[in-house]
Amino acid sequence: QVQLQESGPGLVKPSETLSLTCAVSGYSISSGYYWGWIRQPPGKGLEWIGSIYHSGSTYYNPSLKSRVTISVDTSKNQFSLKLSSVTAADTAVYYCARASQWLRHAFDYWGQGTLVTVSS
Amino acid sequence: EIVMTQSPATLSVSPGERATLSCRASQSVSSNLAWYQQKPGQAPRLLIYGASTRATGIPARFSGSGSGTEFTLTISSLQSEDFAVYYCQQYNNWQITFGQGTRLEIK
Repeated sequence: QVQLQESGPGLVKPSETLSLTCAVSGYSISSGYYWGWIRQPPGKGLEWIGSIYHSGSTYYNPSLKSRVTISVDTSKNQFSLKLSSVTAADTAVYYCARASQWLRHAFDYWGQGTLVTVSS
Repeated sequence: EIVMTQSPATLSVSPGERATLSCRASQSVSSNLAWYQQKPGQAPRLLIYGASTRATGIPARFSGSGSGTEFTLTISSLQSEDFAVYYCQQYNNWQITFGQGTRLEIK
């Protein structure tokens, strides 16, 4: 059973960097698939942030690309998100999820999500 | 950016009836279209991928159709647990976008 679990600070100050980690269990990241981050502001819809392949290739939402870094640590079976220069508009529930080209890049497994609030 | 437009924003349907949700892409996404169900406080759940293939464990009452720019999710006989928000999502050359969602509520 594949499971994903987000972790990181729930409160980040404006202009600082948001950092989250997604721990994967039940599947080895190095075996394949794409691993992504998606966010959802309170009461709003879903926004793709970016994805990373197990090899380290990254793909980012153009609207966030200048502020986003996604990395993978296969030794710990986890991947991470860094979002710099945050503002209140970055307040959201952040999800990590798995996708594959066989599923036409749909996300089949999701973490439970973690709320990150940007506030001083 | 490919914009995904879902309609209607809210759909009121009685249990046991059929629900039809629509998703339109601003340009062709071929069959790279997925549907998700999201309930309050939960992560989205994958229902359909490749526009028409049900994900593992998804009941047969859920079906998807369409290609190019016009897509439909049909729930043939609504159960109480189906009332939720539904999102479509497209993939095109490493640009992934979601629709704004359709809220399916009990009539």
